Amino acid sequence: AQSVTQLDSQVPVFEEAPVELRCNYSSSVSVYLFWYVQYPNQGLQLLLKYLSGSTLVESINGFEAEFNKSQTSFHLRKPSVHISDTAEYFCAVSAFSGGYNKLIFGAGTRLAVHP
Amino acid sequence: EPEVTQTPSHQVTQMGQEVILRCVPISNHLYFYWYRQILGQKVEFLVSFYNNEISEKSEIFDDQFSVERPDGSNFTLKIRSTKLEDSAMYFCASFRTGEGTDTQYFGPGTRLTVL
Repeated sequence: AQSVTQLDSQVPVFEEAPVELRCNYSSSVSVYLFWYVQYPNQGLQLLLKYLSGSTLVESINGFEAEFNKSQTSFHLRKPSVHISDTAEYFCAVSAFSGGYNKLIFGAGTRLAVHP
Repeated sequence: EPEVTQTPSHQVTQMGQEVILRCVPISNHLYFYWYRQILGQKVEFLVSFYNNEISEKSEIFDDQFSVERPDGSNFTLKIRSTKLEDSAMYFCASFRTGEGTDTQYFGPGTRLTVL
């Protein structure tokens, strides 16, 4: 079985400051890793994912995450946040299980960017 | 860009009533999922569906729940006799393995309110 821990339920930060949202996972098998973002009153949007290859993955809006197998972590970072980054961020894992790939989500981290 | 759609966006029902939540997955996707998110909590897996049958279900998905793909496009979640604790946002997702995708695409969700 897999589980995901997001260590911070809320992260307040000032605009243009750097931010790191932490995610640790537990699994007995290899996993795929994802970050989804949920803006207020909207659905889940994929931000970035790690399937294989380079352990550093980037999104088109400046976020990046690094897969660290030894630390079982997939922390999300951005060097300079904007007000528009205010949202809930969910880390998720899936293990290949016959192709069904259900996602296991963490509890979420609410990023609040202040001017 | 293709997207998953869900209807209705908001459903209000009385306890004990049946509800059907509808989803139209992305057209060439083969795996379908329902997740739910109780207000303020994490997103939880309910059920996965492939080749016209349930491939996996969680403990939440009891006899009150059922899923169906009645035609080539729709994917529905039925709750036979709603309870207060079924109030949540319900997300549909679809997925197509291969070609390096391995990404679930989520719909905007249906907010179910049980009174």
